Amino acid sequence: EAGVAQSPRYKIIEKRQSVAFWCNPISGHATLYWYQQILGQGPKLLIQFQNNGVVDDSQLPKDRFSAERLKGVDSTLKIQPAKLEDSAVYLCASRVAGGPADTQYFGPGTRLTVL
Amino acid sequence: AQSVTQLDSQVPVFEEAPVELRCNYSSSVSVYLFWYVQYPNQGLQLLLKYLSGSTLVKGINGFEAEFNKSQTSFHLRKPSVHISDTAEYFCAVTVPSGNTGKLIFGQGTTLQVKP
Repeated sequence: EAGVAQSPRYKIIEKRQSVAFWCNPISGHATLYWYQQILGQGPKLLIQFQNNGVVDDSQLPKDRFSAERLKGVDSTLKIQPAKLEDSAVYLCASRVAGGPADTQYFGPGTRLTVL
Repeated sequence: AQSVTQLDSQVPVFEEAPVELRCNYSSSVSVYLFWYVQYPNQGLQLLLKYLSGSTLVKGINGFEAEFNKSQTSFHLRKPSVHISDTAEYFCAVTVPSGNTGKLIFGQGTTLQVKP
């Protein structure tokens, strides 16, 4: 079974530029998450999708971050414009739509450096 | 609201020695508890989880954890570590009610296994 795919793996941009990350979840997984992991901290949930609908985006900085999951499969996360404090690893995870104890499977992440 | 505290940011240990990584949580409701491992430049991998029942949970790679409700702790242990166990370890909680499966992570503990 293929895992969660993310691209690019690394991205370096200057502040005020725009950037987009892509995630392809495990086939059949209805729930998709984007987490932000700042160096030295645990991952923090940014947004959760159930199929193509948003379940929780309470911690997404909506003035600069946006995300979509068209057709309930792939997802993109965009930052426009980027700030220095956005430097982090962005992790995508997916799980079968079931109970909260169902395992979330994580992708390798995209490491963003904002200069 | 729930929170997770990992009491040690770094734990150095010699190969074949036992290790304990400490995790405490705060919640006014029952929670599910998880331990994840993150190897360099990789995503998170589930080690084990506690849902209910026996308070001693066994996971992959020889790890186990014990849930202590009175002390609100979920410490991770391994009787004999290997060099390959060097990684970042994250404790996390989620709330059974609802179906979001949102994970709240601690800040992580770096396990450094020395030869």
